[in-house]
Parts: sequence; structure tokens; C-alpha cells
Amino acid sequence: KAGVTQTPRYLIKTRGQQVTLSCSPISGHRSVSWYQQTPGQGLQFLFEYFSETQRNKGNFPGRFSGRQFSNSRSEMNVSTLELGDSALYLCASSLGVGDEKLFFGSGTQLSVL
Amino acid sequence: GESVGLHLPTLSVQEGDNSIINCAYSNSASDYFIWYKQESGKGPQFIIDIRSNMDKRQGQRVTVLLNKTVKHLSLQIAATQPGDSAVYFCAEKRKNQGGKLIFGQGTELSVKP
Repeated sequence: KAGVTQTPRYLIKTRGQQVTLSCSPISGHRSVSWYQQTPGQGLQFLFEYFSETQRNKGNFPGRFSGRQFSNSRSEMNVSTLELGDSALYLCASSLGVGDEKLFFGSGTQLSVL
Repeated sequence: GESVGLHLPTLSVQEGDNSIINCAYSNSASDYFIWYKQESGKGPQFIIDIRSNMDKRQGQRVTVLLNKTVKHLSLQIAATQPGDSAVYFCAEKRKNQGGKLIFGQGTELSVKP
């Protein structure tokens, strides 16, 4: 069974631009969560989607948004990029109901110049 | 504030020795805990989990202990191997929070041959 797949693996953007990251969960998993990882703040929860609905949201500004499609694939978007948005963005999937184990992808390393 | 924290940022052990990585949490409402291992360039990898109604859980070469009285979690790795070198994170989930995990800052384990 394939794991969580994130694309692209690396991304370089400039301030003010926007970016879209993609995540394909493990087959059969219906929940997708997004996390931001930085050396200073560690791993921080962004949001979670289940059955195309946002189920939980972390403490990030509205520039960070996401969505989930009917096939459980998810995208997250960051608009008006700031230097501080440089981070590893991780996607995790789980069955979503009755099983809380989260399985992570390898992440998208975003650099904002 | 509420947080999951680790006692030590780095741990160095000799190959073949046992390793113990500690974690403190502050919210008694947390009902699920997970340990992850993260190697350089990869996403966090699930190691073992434990629910709040348990004190101990064993896996292959790993044991997680949960002390709810003092809000303490530990990961024990038996016969530590060079391949165990990585950053280890504990994470907690609060009841009815779906895929939202709160992560500790991580402990870097270094195994000397």
C-alpha cells in the first residue's frame, strides 16, 4: 500500500506570491491533516479535513487555507507569502473514524525569498 | 500555557545500550499519546501509541510508559542501534480533536558505534 504522497518535494517562492501544495492520503484514509514544521516552532497543526469538510483548525492566519476533494486528496494554499512561511509542510492521513494513528508524508520544503 | 514538552533536547547513547526519552504534558484532558521518529529529510514515522487508560504498551524493541499522576510519558528503546539515530517526538491528542496532535519539541538521539 502506498504511503502519503506530497508534491512538490521542494518549492522556492518570493514574498507576496501564493503557493499550492498537494497531498494524496493512504488509500482508504478519509482524514487529512496539515502541519508546519520549523526549527523554532517545531510541528504545529494547521488544519484537518474529513469528508471534504474542515474538522479542526489551528492558530494560523487566514492566508493559510485548504480543501479536500471527494477522493480524499487534499491541497493547502498559502497566499501573500512571507519570509516566515519558510518551513517544511507535512501532510498526514488517518482513517478518520475510530483510528487515530496519523501517518505522515515526507513533506514539501517551502523556501520564501 | 498548554504544551507537550521534552526534558532533554539531545541524548547520546552507546550502541547496544537502552535509551529512554522523556516527555511531559500539561493537559489532563489528553487521552491519546504517540511517539514519532523523524530522520533527516523524511516525515515523522509512527513508532508506538498509548491511550490514557493504559500505563504501558510494548512494541518491537520499544516500550511506552504513561504516568498520568505526574503527566509524564517515556519511550524506551532496547538495544539501541545506529539506525535508531533520529529526532523523537511525543505528541498528544485531546479528546474529540480528530487529527489535531500537539507535538513536543523533539529529542535528538545519537547512537555511538
